[in-house]
Amino acid sequence: SQTIHQWPATLVQPVGSPLSLECTVEGTSNPNLYWYRQAAGRGLQLLFYSVGIGQISSEVPQNLSASRPQDRQFILSSKKLLLSDSGFYLCAWSRRQGTYEQYFGPGTRLTVT
Amino acid sequence: GDSVTQMEGPVTLSEEAFLTINCTYTATGYPSLFWYVQYPGEGLQLLLKATKADDKGSNKGFEATYRKETTSFHLEKGSVQVSDSAVYFCARSTGGGNKLTFGTGTQLKVEL
Repeated sequence: SQTIHQWPATLVQPVGSPLSLECTVEGTSNPNLYWYRQAAGRGLQLLFYSVGIGQISSEVPQNLSASRPQDRQFILSSKKLLLSDSGFYLCAWSRRQGTYEQYFGPGTRLTVT
Repeated sequence: GDSVTQMEGPVTLSEEAFLTINCTYTATGYPSLFWYVQYPGEGLQLLLKATKADDKGSNKGFEATYRKETTSFHLEKGSVQVSDSAVYFCARSTGGGNKLTFGTGTQLKVEL
């Protein structure tokens, strides 16, 4: 069976500090990978998605970047965090073909102070 | 562009009441449709899905039918429990299937 991991689970960082969130998927090959942000009490905002190693599509201009150094690893980064970067970050994966459902990780709660 | 519209929440029900959460989608292409559930502090879990018109998705007592004529995918459950309290998201496939478009979510609170 497939499993998706995210870490850390929670993170408190000062404004201006760097960020690195990691997501890994087990039990599948060549997945599509996604990063979402969920602000408190609000819906999901797609930040980045990737259909292969080194292939990143950005959905929203922002202070963040994403990388996919390995097939099942997806990293979300920032050089300098802003207060507005606070939120709940979710990683998800889907199969390249099929019925398009996405499977989500447990999330990382980021608070920028 | 593609969009999904859900009813505003929160929805508050007594235990064993009937649940309906409305969802409509833009009728572009032939999307797959999904319902996800999110419990506090957790990621989203796929609840059910339907891939073509008239399909009925079901899981854990929840049901939703893909209605092409009304572009709807309403979530229903005959008897809710306190443990069903969560936020429910409706979604449709988009971008050739590489992405999902989500509704804004509907919070459900079930009281004893």
